[in-house]
Amino acid sequence: AQSVAQPEDQVNVAEGNPLTVKCTYSVSGNPYLFWYVQYPNRGLQFLLKYITGDNLVKGSYGFEAEFNKSQTSFHLKKPSALVSDSALYFCAVRWRSQGNLIFGKGTKLSVKP
Amino acid sequence: EAQVTQNPRYLITVTGKKLTVTCSQNMNHEYMSWYRQDPGLGLRQIYYSMNVEVTDKGDVPEGYKVSRKEKRNFPLILESPSPNQTSLYFCASSLSIYDRGGNQPQHFGDGTRLSIL
Repeated sequence: AQSVAQPEDQVNVAEGNPLTVKCTYSVSGNPYLFWYVQYPNRGLQFLLKYITGDNLVKGSYGFEAEFNKSQTSFHLKKPSALVSDSALYFCAVRWRSQGNLIFGKGTKLSVKP
Repeated sequence: EAQVTQNPRYLITVTGKKLTVTCSQNMNHEYMSWYRQDPGLGLRQIYYSMNVEVTDKGDVPEGYKVSRKEKRNFPLILESPSPNQTSLYFCASSLSIYDRGGNQPQHFGDGTRLSIL
C-alpha cells in the first residue's frame, strides 16, 4: 500500500543551527512530493514541492528539501533555524494521476532560543 | 483575498444530530477535498472532488457524505454523527490535478473543530 512516513514525532533544534525533518515514502511509480507547515489554530500552508528535475527544491521562508529517489526520501532542511519556525510539519505525496493526497503523521519542530 | 472558508469553526453537538460543515473557495479551483486531523494520525482524506458533480472516497469515508453541486462549494455532511467523529476537519482546494499532472499545491481552510458527545 502507498504510504508516507515521518519517523520523528518531534525534532528539537537550537536557534541558528541547521534543521532536518525527515520524510520517506513507499516505492511505487513517480510521485509528486510536498511539504506543508501548520501553525497553531491554522490550516496547513504550502512550503515547497518536488515535481521533477533538480533534486534540491527551494521553498518559502528559507526552507529547502532534497529528493532522493534511491532512498525514496524527501527531507526538509533549513540552514539556520528560527524560533518562529516552531510548528507542525507535514510531508505529503500524490502518485501521478491519482486523486488522493497522502499525508505523513506530522513532525513537531521546536526551535529554542 | 484568495481563501478557503469553513463554517462553523467550532461545533459541539450530540450523537445522531445531523450536521453540515460548509466549505467555500474563491479561487475557481476544480479540485476540493476534506480531511480530518487526529493526534498521532496526521491528516487523513475523507472525500475529494475532481470537479462539479464528481466526488470520490478518500481513506476514511465511512459516516460522511459530500456533494459538489457548484464549483466553489463542497459541504461535508454527517448524517448521524458519532463520538468517534470528534476531530479537527480541514477543507482544501487546488487547481485541477489533471492540469500539469497533479502537482498543484492545496490551499487549506483554517479548520473546524467538531466535538460529538
